[in-house]
Amino acid sequence: EPEVTQTPSHQVTQMGQEVILRCVPISNHLYFYWYRQILGQKVEFLVSFYNNEISEKSEIFDDQFSVERPDGSNFTLKIRSTKLEDSAMYFCASSDTGSEQFFGPGTRLTVL
Amino acid sequence: RKEVEQDPGPFNVPEGATVAFNCTYSNSASQSFFWYRQDCRKEPKLLMSVYSSGNEDGRFTAQLNRASQYISLLIRDSKLSDSATYLCVVNPISGTYKYIFGTGTRLKVLA
Repeated sequence: EPEVTQTPSHQVTQMGQEVILRCVPISNHLYFYWYRQILGQKVEFLVSFYNNEISEKSEIFDDQFSVERPDGSNFTLKIRSTKLEDSAMYFCASSDTGSEQFFGPGTRLTVL
Repeated sequence: RKEVEQDPGPFNVPEGATVAFNCTYSNSASQSFFWYRQDCRKEPKLLMSVYSSGNEDGRFTAQLNRASQYISLLIRDSKLSDSATYLCVVNPISGTYKYIFGTGTRLKVLA
């Protein structure tokens, strides 16, 4: 069964450093998303991406965040200058119709 | 009022029991509704979409009441493997595809 994959599974970084989280969506899917979940809290929407552009973003997704689809398979989330409060699990998701979304296993980001 | 509200639980039930979870949403224009399950420190996994007519998948039944802005999930004949957090998810606006998650309801099925 096709699935969304994410790398790395765990990333530790120093405050102020840049990180790139990588995702490979399901191959025939056209809609891509990033969500985050701070430990003990609910899953929060960050950004949706369709047709090579951002279709929607939340208030969390400020100028420190960017997304890219550098090739036909990868979808990345970059945080330019990490803050302590960016520590969370980051989930990538993809969808073929934009309705049902399928999530990857997540990248746990720890900012020290 | 929160966009999506769930009773956090935990619900502790014996194996074989029937358990029901409820969820309310604030935006009456919401279009799509889902139940996901999330195991500890894992990703949300789609359990089922929720349709206006209600739908059933094996031991799981989901209902939608648009007038009351209320979604439910019923699990019959609970198994130990059903222990997880159940997330109510709403797509609030037609034409956008962001999900709004509830905080989840924890279920523990006891032997």
